[in-house]
Amino acid sequence: AQSVTQLDSHVSVSEGTPVLLRCNYSSSYSPSLFWYVQHPNKGLQLLLKYTSAATLVKGINGFEAEFKKSETSFHLTKPSAHMSDAAEYFCVVISYGGATNKLIFGTGTLLAVQP
Amino acid sequence: DGGITQSPKYLFRKEGQNVTLSCEQNLNHDAMYWYRQDPGQGLRLIYYSQIVNDFQKGDIAEGYSVSREKKESFPLTVTSAQKNPTAFYLCASSMGQTYTGELFFGEGSRLTVL
Repeated sequence: AQSVTQLDSHVSVSEGTPVLLRCNYSSSYSPSLFWYVQHPNKGLQLLLKYTSAATLVKGINGFEAEFKKSETSFHLTKPSAHMSDAAEYFCVVISYGGATNKLIFGTGTLLAVQP
Repeated sequence: DGGITQSPKYLFRKEGQNVTLSCEQNLNHDAMYWYRQDPGQGLRLIYYSQIVNDFQKGDIAEGYSVSREKKESFPLTVTSAQKNPTAFYLCASSMGQTYTGELFFGEGSRLTVL
């Protein structure tokens, strides 16, 4: 079965410092992985996706993630945090099989950015 | 502008009442989904529909019902049978009938049962 584990429920950084949000995955085949962002009381927005092309994936708003098969990780990073990055971030994997595919969401990491 | 519109944004309900949450999209997407979000639990799939007049149960369908009479509309009814309905409900859509992982979300409806 496919699953994702977000290793931190809360991360706090200062504005202008790097961001690292950690995600490990479990999959019996080459996974398709995603990061979504949710600002307070809003819907989710796709940040970036990995679908077995380049292992370093660039997304919107300066975020990127690196797929590491040997570590079964797909961590999200940004070189310099901005106040507007404060939000909840979800790591997601596609589970294939059965009548249809479905998305498996992690439990989320809440990012706080201090001035 | 294209997008997904959910209404109402906030809803209060007394125990024993059914409520219906609206979801409309003008993206011409084939598939639509309803998710429930609870703090610390990520998103869980309630129902999904890949084509008009057809829908399937997700992981937590008990106490919910849906319809898909039009491509652009996918309303969710939270029935009195749902034991713990207080939650944030998110509607989403995707372009094709198969999950590609790229979902477009509405801004959600927050239901509180008094």
